[in-house]
Amino acid sequence: KAGVTQTPRYLIKTRGQQVTLSCSPISGHRSVSWYQQTPGQGLQFLFEYFSETQRNKGNFPGRFSGRQFSNSRSEMNVSTLELGDSALYLCASSLGAGTGAKETQYFGPGTRLLVL
Amino acid sequence: GDSVTQMEGPVTLSEEAFLTINCTYTATGYPSLFWYVQYPGEGLQLLLKATKADDKGSNKGFEATYRKETTSFHLEKGSVQVSDSAVYFCAWDTGFQKLVFGTGTRLLVSP
Repeated sequence: KAGVTQTPRYLIKTRGQQVTLSCSPISGHRSVSWYQQTPGQGLQFLFEYFSETQRNKGNFPGRFSGRQFSNSRSEMNVSTLELGDSALYLCASSLGAGTGAKETQYFGPGTRLLVL
Repeated sequence: GDSVTQMEGPVTLSEEAFLTINCTYTATGYPSLFWYVQYPGEGLQLLLKATKADDKGSNKGFEATYRKETTSFHLEKGSVQVSDSAVYFCAWDTGFQKLVFGTGTRLLVSP
């Protein structure tokens, strides 16, 4: 079974631009979560989607948004990029059996975003 | 607040040495506990997990036991290899698909 895939793997943008990252979950997985990894803040939760609905959101500004499609693929968007948005963005998928279910999240390789 | 505390790195060991990476957590409810590993330039790989108190997770020679009384989930391996060099993250989730991670511990194993 194929793992979680993320595209693109690398991106270079300039301040003020916007960016869209894509994530395809493991086949059969319906929950997709996004995380930001930076040297200073470590791994931080951005948001989680299930059945095209955002169920949970981390403490990030509104410039960070996401969506999920009917095939469970997800995208996240960052508008008005700032230098501090440079990070590795990781996507993870899980079965999505429901809130409270003790599931395991499986991660993709990440998209490395550099903002100049 | 909700958090995970991991020992500071880097941890530097010689091949075949014993490894312990400490992890304690603060969480409401009864979380599942995880260890993930990150190799250079890659995403996170699940190493092992435990979903309830006294469960022992194990994989590739690594082990960790869910200790609810001490809120700990320490990672151990009896004999490390150079290929184990990576960053190890302890994490928990209470069932909302929202992992809370520790800061990571870099392990360096020399031949």
